[in-house]
Amino acid sequence: EIVLTQSPGTLSLSPGQRATLSCRASRTVSSNYLAWYQQKPGQAPRPLIYGASSRATGIPDRFSGSGSGTDFTLTISRLEPEDFAVYYCQQYGNSPSWTFGQGTKVEIK
Amino acid sequence: EVQLVQSGAEVKKPGESLTISCKGSGYSFSTYWIGWVRQVPGKGLEWMGIIYPGDSDIRYSPSFQGQVTISADKSISTAYLQWSSLNASDTAMYYCARRTFSGGRVDYWGQGTLVTVSS
Repeated sequence: EIVLTQSPGTLSLSPGQRATLSCRASRTVSSNYLAWYQQKPGQAPRPLIYGASSRATGIPDRFSGSGSGTDFTLTISRLEPEDFAVYYCQQYGNSPSWTFGQGTKVEIK
Repeated sequence: EVQLVQSGAEVKKPGESLTISCKGSGYSFSTYWIGWVRQVPGKGLEWMGIIYPGDSDIRYSPSFQGQVTISADKSISTAYLQWSSLNASDTAMYYCARRTFSGGRVDYWGQGTLVTVSS
């Protein structure tokens, strides 16, 4: 089983700043099957990125994903007020199982 | 429009049984895996298991094997998550989620069902 470790646990930033979130896998994620989700309080997670770098439908281009192998990054180029939330990475693949990271909270500084 | 609509919040006592549901619409329910994800209050997302409604092929996370039962009724496009005997540690939000046809990421989530177990 692949273990995903996200860092930092909490990121304190101001609107307009750049956010860089990390997700590290315990072994290689096949075919870059790595996704990112945003979750706000009281809401279900929202798909942001899949395949490590492809944006889901309707996701603004200030969100971008990168990385391969065991190291992946979610970047929010300029934080908008609505971007303050918790972000999770997920490993998926042809085997129908999922693994989630523990989450990174992006909070207003 | 694809939708996953979950059953409403539940308040149960320890030792009681419970089944919650997730009804899919707007797509061919039988041909997409449906997974269940637990979120304890204030904590992260945990994958519990997944079912293919077409033939009821089920995979459980080792952490949840034997603790819950996943099933589906494709005739009414509904997946289920069942407990035979709840305990306080089962208090959480439970989400169903659709696995994409190719690749396997989540593309749609249910709204969640809050289960509270308290004496």
